[in-house]
Amino acid sequence: NAGVTQTPKFQVLKTGQSMTLQCAQDMNHEYMSWYRQDPGMGLRLIHYSVGAGITDQGEVPNGYNVSRSTTEDFPLRLLSAAPSQTSVYFCASSYTWDSGIADSPLHFGNGTRLTVT
Amino acid sequence: SQKIEQNSEALNIQEGKTATLTCNYTNYSPAYLQWYRQDPGRGPVFLLLIRENEKEKRKERLKVTFDTTLKQSLFHITASQPADSATYLCALQNQGGKLIFGQGTELSVKP
Repeated sequence: NAGVTQTPKFQVLKTGQSMTLQCAQDMNHEYMSWYRQDPGMGLRLIHYSVGAGITDQGEVPNGYNVSRSTTEDFPLRLLSAAPSQTSVYFCASSYTWDSGIADSPLHFGNGTRLTVT
Repeated sequence: SQKIEQNSEALNIQEGKTATLTCNYTNYSPAYLQWYRQDPGRGPVFLLLIRENEKEKRKERLKVTFDTTLKQSLFHITASQPADSATYLCALQNQGGKLIFGQGTELSVKP
């Protein structure tokens, strides 16, 4: 059981370049989300999705796009990378609030460390 | 605005003692509060969840309390071990399901 898989593990970009961070889960979770983690700031929610075709913004959505065409995949796109987007990015999934499954915590991937120069 | 605060300074304790970590929040009415453990270079791992109508929850050496009047949760690790050294994150979840995290507290247990 792979859980939540994020690729790549490390990435270096130049300012203005674009890239997609991949996230896939094999637990049939409806809810998926992206966080960024910066020193002293904790985990901040970027975007989330409660099912295929449905996405919404979190606390810090600017500069990022998402889409959810399948239950399994939730890619995060940086259209024009900026140094302020240097961070560690985590994807996480769970059953949704109204799924009837009690105590459904988030399952995290091991992160993508992104540096923008 | 909504705010979650955890002990900003690292917590250093001796093996065998009880570690107590604090999570305070403002401008929020969470339905659930969760605690996660994060090791360096890894994603957070779920430990415990407590509902707004529960005062206390235990799991092995872990205990969580949730006081919605004080807007505070306490996370206890009894008989702490060096292997408990990690960063611990609290997270609040509202009825819509979004999970918002505190900045985490680093715990170091010395043998």
